[in-house]
Amino acid sequence: QQQVKQSPQSLIVQKGGISIINCAYENTAFDYFPWYQQFPGKGPALLIAIRPDVSEKKEGRFTISFNKSAKQFSLHIMDSQPGDSATYFCAASFISGGGADGLTFGKGTHLIIQP
Amino acid sequence: KAGVTQTPRYLIKTRGQQVTLSCSPISGHRSVSWYQQTPGQGLQFLFEYFSETQRNKGNFPGRFSGRQFSNSRSEMNVSTLELGDSALYLCASSLVGFSYEQYFGPGTRLTVT
Repeated sequence: QQQVKQSPQSLIVQKGGISIINCAYENTAFDYFPWYQQFPGKGPALLIAIRPDVSEKKEGRFTISFNKSAKQFSLHIMDSQPGDSATYFCAASFISGGGADGLTFGKGTHLIIQP
Repeated sequence: KAGVTQTPRYLIKTRGQQVTLSCSPISGHRSVSWYQQTPGQGLQFLFEYFSETQRNKGNFPGRFSGRQFSNSRSEMNVSTLELGDSALYLCASSLVGFSYEQYFGPGTRLTVT
């Protein structure tokens, strides 16, 4: 059972454009939603995360939009640059005991930014 | 501050053998989680250790086990290796009680032949 569905599987965006990656979750008990960026040969790096009490969070060129009623959240990368070319993963988790439980990941989006 | 370190970075084992992977968390982090990454299944949660106790466990067979030491370093063991265990094994650490963020190491690439 795939609890977090991510789309698209791959995405090509022109330099300077907006990259948009979408995720949908099934378990309404999830209350922590991070996005990770992974380059080949590296571990995933935390980009930005959101809790369900806010609808949007922005950090630099990266924005998470969160729709609790639709059980969806998305990552927007503004002014996309070739250095943003990587695989992006959304994830979801429960908060308990002061920390996040094991992350449930989407399948990933391979993003290519064309110069 | 140094990041999460994992050793070894690459490993080749034969089916039926066992393997032990090591993870050193970021200084001060007491929670260590392990994940398996494969092209087919993606990133899957194995287990989490906090203060030397397994706090959470994913849906993996008992051949996968782990432990955490008093200095928060963690080891993961896979016994009776199968071809399907070939994967990138990632360790992540977090500062439980202060933030929910998990920081990943570079992983150990395990190949089972």
